[in-house]
Amino acid sequence: TQLLEQSPQFLSIQEGENLTVYCNSSSVFSSLQWYRQEPGEGPVLLVTVVTGGEVKKLKRLTFQFGDARKDSSLHITAAQPGDTGLYLCAGPELEYGNKLVFGAGTILRVKS
Amino acid sequence: EPEVTQTPSHQVTQMGQEVILRCVPISNHLYFYWYRQILGQKVEFLVSFYNNEISEKSEIFDDQFSVERPDGSNFTLKIRSTKLEDSAMYFCASSEDNYNEQFFGPGTRLTVL
Repeated sequence: TQLLEQSPQFLSIQEGENLTVYCNSSSVFSSLQWYRQEPGEGPVLLVTVVTGGEVKKLKRLTFQFGDARKDSSLHITAAQPGDTGLYLCAGPELEYGNKLVFGAGTILRVKS
Repeated sequence: EPEVTQTPSHQVTQMGQEVILRCVPISNHLYFYWYRQILGQKVEFLVSFYNNEISEKSEIFDDQFSVERPDGSNFTLKIRSTKLEDSAMYFCASSEDNYNEQFFGPGTRLTVL
């Protein structure tokens, strides 16, 4: 079973700071998806990375897929209180499958 | 923007009772999924459904669980005889095809007493 390990588990920062969260695996993934989840709600898709080395930007969020497609990172520039939430990475268990495996997530708290 | 919807948002039931959780996937999507998240744990895959049949299921999805697409819009998850350990958030998701991104609904919080 492919596993996704996310770090750190919890991050508390001041508004305006930059941060990076990581998603790592010993296995190769055909793609990785990043979701954000608020308490009591469903995961909301932020981005999908597919190509090794790919970098995608979504406003202040920068997502990178490792060259070997075993890891990914999410960098937030100038974090705001509205960025507070649980950030999850997920990927298909099999290259041609649709069963997603999820990491445990990083809880981000941005204080004003 | 189209979205996945789920009802009810919260369901409380007695152990041993049957529950049906309902989902309306995004209208042009062909693949449907159920996941669950026990409090404080990872989101876990339960089942995927395509062309009116199960395409994959996890070991969690035993004989107590079933899924159905009763009409052109709804997708349901039935738990025949609920156990305490079935208490969790249940998320429905859908995707356009097998390799596309999955979009999740807001979830149903199931509490089994």
